[in-house]
Amino acid sequence: RKEVEQDPGPFNVPEGATVAFNCTYSNSASQSFFWYRQDCRKEPKLLMSVYSSGNEDGRFTAQLNRASQYISLLIRDSKLSDSATYLCVVDNSNSGYALNFGKGTSLLVTP
Amino acid sequence: SAVISQKPSRDICQRGTSLTIQCQVDSQVTMMFWYRQQPGQSLTLIATANQGSEATYESGFVIDKFPISRPNLTFSTLTVSNMSPEDSSIYLCSVLKFGELFFGEGSRLTVL
Repeated sequence: RKEVEQDPGPFNVPEGATVAFNCTYSNSASQSFFWYRQDCRKEPKLLMSVYSSGNEDGRFTAQLNRASQYISLLIRDSKLSDSATYLCVVDNSNSGYALNFGKGTSLLVTP
Repeated sequence: SAVISQKPSRDICQRGTSLTIQCQVDSQVTMMFWYRQQPGQSLTLIATANQGSEATYESGFVIDKFPISRPNLTFSTLTVSNMSPEDSSIYLCSVLKFGELFFGEGSRLTVL
């Protein structure tokens, strides 16, 4: 079983739609969780961290369910510029550093 | 933030040759890493580049194939040795700064 699993998509949604991505992780001892965004032929960039209580940043909401080992990202009022690949990232380190990346979910927002 | 420059941005190489990728950061950082992103695959950590000592390699990656240098806190190189078509990939330098992982734009390598 892959350590971090994501639905690869692609998700094709019209502008203004709400879309949700899911991610599951296998290591119950995982400490930290992130969503990264990667535009086509560009490097990944941090979109937001995911906190236990859930967190929101504008149109983006991230949630964590430790019991189910599940992370989600919700994008409201999708914009054309949201088209990208969204990477789920899990940090398994108790000490040191060990980020595991999912393969990413591809989103295409259409006019 | 951290600004990371990688060279070359892309290259096409012949089987059996070696290529060295350079990574320059605009500030001193303790943690520097090399990742690989193969088509349709997730980012995979190759190694942690340690300043002043040998790199720490992840399972499946060895120093003979991917020698790494880290002469100071702002610079590192990754060499892909004795290349084969299976090494065709994007290689990304990254640094950890203030708890966030920043990436270079990547070096796209095609091996013929």
